[in-house]
Amino acid sequence: NAGVTQTPKFRVLKTGQSMTLLCAQDMNHEYMYWYRQDPGMGLRLIHYSVGEGTTAKGEVPDGYNVSRLKKQNFLLGLESAAPSQTSVYFCASGGTGNQPQHFGDGTRLSIL
Amino acid sequence: DQQVKQNSPSLSVQEGRISILNCDYTNSMFDYFLWYKKYPAEGPTFLISISSIKDKNEDGRFTVFLNKSAKHLSLHIVPSQPGDSAVYFCAASKPHLFFGTGTRLTVIP
Repeated sequence: NAGVTQTPKFRVLKTGQSMTLLCAQDMNHEYMYWYRQDPGMGLRLIHYSVGEGTTAKGEVPDGYNVSRLKKQNFLLGLESAAPSQTSVYFCASGGTGNQPQHFGDGTRLSIL
Repeated sequence: DQQVKQNSPSLSVQEGRISILNCDYTNSMFDYFLWYKKYPAEGPTFLISISSIKDKNEDGRFTVFLNKSAKHLSLHIVPSQPGDSAVYFCAASKPHLFFGTGTRLTVIP
């Protein structure tokens, strides 16, 4: 009963390095989301996807890219990491409106 | 610009008593409001939601009240249990979610 799985769980990067965060869901959801959570800020939407092959910008998209090549996977990329991107990243899948989103357990990313 | 606000960072309640968590919003176009619960090192989990056309929704020990004129909603938990200790996030849908900053609830046995 995996639900939403995020890898890795922790990562430390140096400024300027690149990396990709992977999100996988096994619930056949069309919608997938990437959020970041910072102290005192709640969760903010970075990018989202309404289906395979589609992506769209959320509230805070700058510095990130995403891809949805397969329905079950949603990748978040940082091309040139900056200290301001130190955060906890959550992936979610599910609907919109009152349809609940199902969240992964997060990736804690530190950029030095 | 924070469209959804939770002004109380923390709340402590005795076991068995009522917990009331509050949330304010600024955008009258939100169509649904949701509450999520989060334990440390886990992702948020959905708790309860309410449509903007309703003023109350109940699910077991959890009730959400919506006051559209005041742009305010609240989550009531009664009776509170120690397992309810967590961070609670209010979220509003338009249709994608805007989250508040969370309230840490501690239920004291």
